[in-house]
Amino acid sequence: SQWGEENLQALSIQEGEDVTMNCSYKTYTTVVHWYRQDSGRGPALIILIRSNEREKRSGRLRATLDTSSQSSSLSITAAQCEDTAVYFCATDATNTGKLTFGDGTVLTVKP
Amino acid sequence: GALVYQYPRRTICKSGTSMRMECQAVGFQATSVAWYRQSPQKTFELIALSTVNSAIKYEQNFTQEKFPISHPNLSFSSMTVLNAYLEDRGLYLCGARDPGGADTEVFFGKGTRLTVV
Repeated sequence: SQWGEENLQALSIQEGEDVTMNCSYKTYTTVVHWYRQDSGRGPALIILIRSNEREKRSGRLRATLDTSSQSSSLSITAAQCEDTAVYFCATDATNTGKLTFGDGTVLTVKP
Repeated sequence: GALVYQYPRRTICKSGTSMRMECQAVGFQATSVAWYRQSPQKTFELIALSTVNSAIKYEQNFTQEKFPISHPNLSFSSMTVLNAYLEDRGLYLCGARDPGGADTEVFFGKGTRLTVV
């Protein structure tokens, strides 16, 4: 999981495996953003889930959101080497574009 | 599509000198632009949030005197790091969005990596 004082998490899996990354947030939000960041690049949005959506899918990605426990998860099915990146969840509690990021998960997918 | 171009991608400056970075939004109206600094440990620090025609709001530990920001229109924002020292090193990112748009996505530039020597 990722948030607040927790350090950067690291996960290493084999190609073809499934992986789930968790995120819990502290302040009320109506949307959770999931970003991936490749080395030397800025974050890129990969999936966004709103409070009226318990689950959202995009290709091999699946995000869930539980507003009662203030938690979200990102799953990748049949991970591929190109999924290797750092993944962050982020919330925009004020709906102004002021994002609060989790500490991130370094995902390494090995061939 | 919506894109944010950020430049320079990397810069090296001598301790005590200043450097400026710029972000250009394409394909959407960047009504708000947030500037972040990412540490080598990958944690993000929000520096300030700028909204066109509103005052720029700086976070604790960041000041206008050190990180002056300009956001003159809906497609451009710049930030300067004045009197840069070693502790200012990191990857600086701009994230822009149009709060009036249908989506709440924040579009990021690729970042400006600042090295201070």
